[in-house]
Amino acid sequence: GESVGLHLPTLSVQEGDNSIINCAYSNSASDYFIWYKQESGKGPQFIIDIRSNMDKRQGQRVTVLLNKTVKHLSLQIAATQPGDSAVYFCAEYTGRRALTFGSGTRLQVQP
Amino acid sequence: GAGVSQSPSNKVTEKGKDVELRCDPISGHTALYWYRQSLGQGLEFLIYFQGNSAPDKSGLPSDRFSAERTGGSVSTLTIQRTQQEDSAVYLCASSRDRANTEAFFGQGTRLTVV
Repeated sequence: GESVGLHLPTLSVQEGDNSIINCAYSNSASDYFIWYKQESGKGPQFIIDIRSNMDKRQGQRVTVLLNKTVKHLSLQIAATQPGDSAVYFCAEYTGRRALTFGSGTRLQVQP
Repeated sequence: GAGVSQSPSNKVTEKGKDVELRCDPISGHTALYWYRQSLGQGLEFLIYFQGNSAPDKSGLPSDRFSAERTGGSVSTLTIQRTQQEDSAVYLCASSRDRANTEAFFGQGTRLTVV
């Protein structure tokens, strides 16, 4: 069936370095792809989305890249900070149903 | 309220009992979602309400699970005859409408079935 998954379960980076979190998807009909951040004990929080007809979108310290040829999505975080430590989920949205989430990548920022 | 509110925040119940979990979405949000998250896992879609349309129940794991959304606002997720495998955090989210991708999540209800 259709699914959203992630390559790496845990990513450890040094404070100040750039982080790249990857995600693979299988549903070509998705309208949007979204990244969420979940801190311990909290619900997920929206970070950034990208429409399926785009290949790049930038936000504040974050960039999302979409490669539809290989069905790959990535989240780049510039100058990673301790506050960025969390689990990151990619999700897809087809417009006809709710968001479908991947299994998540834990980002650990080392001081 | 300012955000999505869920109650209770924690619930411990005995196997076989029924439980009700409540979600108060952000005022004016027409889309409401329920997800289940087991420890260290991703979010498993359960059910989706959009306005007055029939809900998408395709994620409900069994007929022991049901949900209602009264008046297009508050939603209740009911689990009948709870089992230990139902133990998880149940998350509710709302968004302004179906076309809006930013969903706002509540803090969740941690359900423990003993």
